[in-house]
Amino acid sequence: DTAVSQTPKYLVTQMGNDKSIKCEQNLGHDTMYWYKQDSKKFLKIMFSYNNKELIINETVPNRFSPKSPDKAHLNLHINSLELGDSAVYFCASSQQGWSYEQYFGPGTRLTVT
Amino acid sequence: AQRVTQPEKLLSVFKGAPVELKCNYSYSGSPELFWYVQYSRQRLQLLLRHISRESIKGFTADLNKGETSFHLKKPFAQEEDSAMYYCALSPLTDSWGKLQFGAGTQVVVTP
Repeated sequence: DTAVSQTPKYLVTQMGNDKSIKCEQNLGHDTMYWYKQDSKKFLKIMFSYNNKELIINETVPNRFSPKSPDKAHLNLHINSLELGDSAVYFCASSQQGWSYEQYFGPGTRLTVT
Repeated sequence: AQRVTQPEKLLSVFKGAPVELKCNYSYSGSPELFWYVQYSRQRLQLLLRHISRESIKGFTADLNKGETSFHLKKPFAQEEDSAMYYCALSPLTDSWGKLQFGAGTQVVVTP
């Protein structure tokens, strides 16, 4: 009964391809997030959705498009992949609000060749 | 703009020795501060947060507003404390839980 799950765990693809990463949470949380962890292990927020509505959109290229079909799912679609997109992408969820714990998924390691 | 600084990329300590991970922040308002931990092959998880003032796994962190610091401390390190530790900040005015993470500190506890 994994709280936050992501698929796939590993993704190896060539430059120019389009790929998607899926995230699901079964905690009943209203808010979901996508983070990018670069090769130096630095974690940076990309997007956040609350009840299917986009609320945080950091300076991320337009090639990245999040989609939330319902509040338990937040998917990340990436168009025209570039070498610099290689990273580990983490999904997280929380109750709404700044003080609540964020629960993270296991991460998806994306390698663009 | 808010910023979180963890000056140590790697901290190596002996088992039983005290350990302190430094975290400094810059933010014009009042922040809420957290420490998250990532053990090997496990997902990132909350270790502690300032608002709850709890001690988890023997770790404590004190918010020093004068020095804008939130250092993490444990008096006696254990081998199972080896992990990556992230300090994070969330603005109290932000109702959406936007977290700003530091660069992380890798802790290695040797026997």
